[in-house]
Amino acid sequence: EAGVTQFPSHSVIEKGQTVTLRCDPISGHDNLYWYRRVMGKEIKFLLHFVKESKQDESGMPNNRFLAERTGGTYSTLKVQPAELEDSGVYFCASSQLSRLSYEQYFGPGTRLTVT
Amino acid sequence: GENVEQHPSTLSVQEGDSAVIKCTYSDSASNYFPWYKQELGKGPQLIIDIRSNVGEKKDQRIAVTLNKTAKHFSLHITETQPEDSAVYFCAASKVLGNYQLIWGAGTKLIIKP
Repeated sequence: EAGVTQFPSHSVIEKGQTVTLRCDPISGHDNLYWYRRVMGKEIKFLLHFVKESKQDESGMPNNRFLAERTGGTYSTLKVQPAELEDSGVYFCASSQLSRLSYEQYFGPGTRLTVT
Repeated sequence: GENVEQHPSTLSVQEGDSAVIKCTYSDSASNYFPWYKQELGKGPQLIIDIRSNVGEKKDQRIAVTLNKTAKHFSLHITETQPEDSAVYFCAASKVLGNYQLIWGAGTKLIIKP
């Protein structure tokens, strides 16, 4: 079974540019989460999809961030325009919609560097 | 807001010795507590988890204890090996995991040969 995949693995952009991160969850996982770790700090929740619906987007820092999950499969996270403080590692995770299994499976992350 | 505090930030132990990492959570409604291990260049990987109706759980060399009254939970690794070197994160969640994880800041565990 393929794990959670993320693309790209690393992105370097200039302040003001746009970047789109992609996440492909494990097949059959209805829950999809985005998290971010800024250098030296704890991992922070951004948002949670259940299928194609946004269940919780309370962690999105501002309206420069837009997440979508059309069709309830893969998800994209767009940052437009990027600012220096957006630099960090963006993780995607997925899990089953089940009371029996709670594990969130994480992708390898996308390291975003804004210069 | 909800937060999880994790200590220590760095832990260096001799191979074969035990390692203990401690976390404290603030939201008494939290009922699911996973521990993740992150190796260089990889995403966090679940190594053990515990639900609030259990006080202790063990899996080979790894164990987790939970004190709901004090809102503390700890990771214990016995007979440490070089491959245990990594960053370990504790987290807390409500609704049995189908909910956002609130993370500790991480502990860098170094196993000295």
